[in-house]
Amino acid sequence: AQTVTQSQPEMSVQEAETVTLSCTYDTSENNYYLFWYKQPPSRQMILVIRQEAYKQQNATENRFSVNFQKAAKSFSLKISDSQLGDTAMYFCAFTYNYGQNFVFGPGTRLSVLP
Amino acid sequence: EPEVTQTPSHQVTQMGQEVILRCVPISNHLYFYWYRQILGQKVEFLVSFYNNEISEKSEIFDDQFSVERPDGSNFTLKIRSTKLEDSAMYFCASNPMAEQFFGPGTRLTVL
Repeated sequence: AQTVTQSQPEMSVQEAETVTLSCTYDTSENNYYLFWYKQPPSRQMILVIRQEAYKQQNATENRFSVNFQKAAKSFSLKISDSQLGDTAMYFCAFTYNYGQNFVFGPGTRLSVLP
Repeated sequence: EPEVTQTPSHQVTQMGQEVILRCVPISNHLYFYWYRQILGQKVEFLVSFYNNEISEKSEIFDDQFSVERPDGSNFTLKIRSTKLEDSAMYFCASNPMAEQFFGPGTRLTVL
């Protein structure tokens, strides 16, 4: 069975600073996808970034980037130049089988402080 | 940009009543999903649906739950006899491949 772990239930960061959210996962699959979703207070689930396991290059999306370590089964999210609007729950998610069998981590609540 | 929509945004019901939550997935997507998120907890998979049938379901998705695609656009989740513990946000999602696109959710409150 696939599992996703996020060891930081809560984090805070000062506005304009950089923060890294951790995620580890366990799977026996070789081809899979990893995602970070953001859930602001509105509770909408918003895709932040995705990473295909077969790609060695770490994904980046503007201020968001990942550090994907396949051997270590680690997938951390770095947010640079944090903004107040980044305050949200962040969920790490895993899927194989072309997008089915999504498994979410328990989430990290990030607060960006002015 | 196309998006997944859900109605209603908030549903209040009495314990034991039936509720139907509605979703309109993105039109060219083939896979549809329902998830549940109890307040303050993680997102839990309920069921996936492909080619007009359930492809996978979790332990949560017991006989009280059913899904249907009654026409070419809607995808519904029915809870036959709601319990207090069914109070949660219910998210619909769809995808063509890989990442899932989520609707805004329906907040279900069972009194």
